[in-house]
Amino acid sequence: SQQGEEDPQALSIQEGENATMNCSYKTSINNLQWYRQNSGRGLVHLILIRSNEREKHSGRLRVTLDTSKKSSSLLITASRAADTASYFCATGHDSWGKLQFGAGTQVVVTP
Amino acid sequence: NAGVTQTPKFRVLKTGQSMTLLCAQDMNHEYMYWYRQDPGMGLRLIHYSVGEGTTAKGEVPDGYNVSRLKKQNFLLGLESAAPSQTSVYFCASTAAETRTDTQYFGPGTRLTVL
Repeated sequence: SQQGEEDPQALSIQEGENATMNCSYKTSINNLQWYRQNSGRGLVHLILIRSNEREKHSGRLRVTLDTSKKSSSLLITASRAADTASYFCATGHDSWGKLQFGAGTQVVVTP
Repeated sequence: NAGVTQTPKFRVLKTGQSMTLLCAQDMNHEYMYWYRQDPGMGLRLIHYSVGEGTTAKGEVPDGYNVSRLKKQNFLLGLESAAPSQTSVYFCASTAAETRTDTQYFGPGTRLTVL
């Protein structure tokens, strides 16, 4: 069973706009990670937030985590065409590094 | 560094045939993982390994076997392929000290079982 569920499933925006996607999960976590997947490629790690953190920034990325609501959001500011990809949240629950992935949000950024 | 590589990139099998997917990493990582990705779904963990000679089952291990004879290689085997195993398979690795952080993914193997 999948731990994370992402919303929306698809998002279409224009360059320069912000993109926001959400992830909800069911059980307690150690951390939550966001990955990007370009079409036909492997996943690339974007950012990690630990269960005791509420917000993290990395470049144009901002991640928030609300453990009371079991949810996270990823904000990409000033989107570029190169941000077109699928974005997945993944939750870490144990010391073995095993991850549980959501179904992803497909983001299309048009010039 | 090549990072994580997967062989082959594409494969078509007939039901009942067997094959082995190879994952290789040159980052000296202890932990390695095999996932499958099906349309409209996130990745699901098949098997993983925390070191040479050790393997463990993930979320969807049935129909697959794995081996980790060398630290840099993690093999995924399908003994008798079924159409339900049509999927894209990804391998990932991470260092033991950062195993709860970033995983590094290979480019994937697209497998079709007819």
